[in-house]
Amino acid sequence: TQLLEQSPQFLSIQEGENLTVYCNSSSVFSSLQWYRQEPGEGPVLLVTVVTGGEVKKLKRLTFQFGDARKDSSLHITAAQPGDTGLYLCAGERGEGSQGNLIFGKGTKLSVKP
Amino acid sequence: KAGVTQTPRYLIKTRGQQVTLSCSPISGHRSVSWYQQTPGQGLQFLFEYFSETQRNKGNFPGRFSGRQFSNSRSEMNVSTLELGDSALYLCASSTTGGGYTEAFFGQGTRLTVV
Repeated sequence: TQLLEQSPQFLSIQEGENLTVYCNSSSVFSSLQWYRQEPGEGPVLLVTVVTGGEVKKLKRLTFQFGDARKDSSLHITAAQPGDTGLYLCAGERGEGSQGNLIFGKGTKLSVKP
Repeated sequence: KAGVTQTPRYLIKTRGQQVTLSCSPISGHRSVSWYQQTPGQGLQFLFEYFSETQRNKGNFPGRFSGRQFSNSRSEMNVSTLELGDSALYLCASSTTGGGYTEAFFGQGTRLTVV
């Protein structure tokens, strides 16, 4: 059983469209991160959310942490081909830095020009 | 500031052999974690080292082991390789402040077992 479920698994859209990616769990996380990974590269950290209900914006990307800290969403406005990649959410259970992140399987996004 | 460096980038090994992968973390980061990434299972946590001590271990067989040196560099070893060990092995370093982990990943080592 996957602790963090991401949906959708695959998403193919046209440039300029909006999209939302979801990361859900039945467990509570003390923090949640979103990463983007391109083929042949390691994941790159986009944002960390730690407070229930927290919303963070990074240019055209909006991240939200659920009130109960069990889920998160990533919304991209006016997607561009450069947004193409694998989007991963990762959660940490328990307080403090223990280096053990639980990853979802990712959403593979393709933005066509 | 230099990022996380993993060597080698690519490796081809035969079943039954062993392999050692290396990771140099970001300067000042004392925590190093290792992950295995496969298309079917995604990223799975192997183990984490902090100040030369293994603090956490994932659910992998004993063939997977690691260590960390006094300069925070880390190595991961896989013995008696199996075909199913073919994967992208990622190393991540993180800071210890803030009360939560933010992982900074290297480019990974692509291991192919034939």
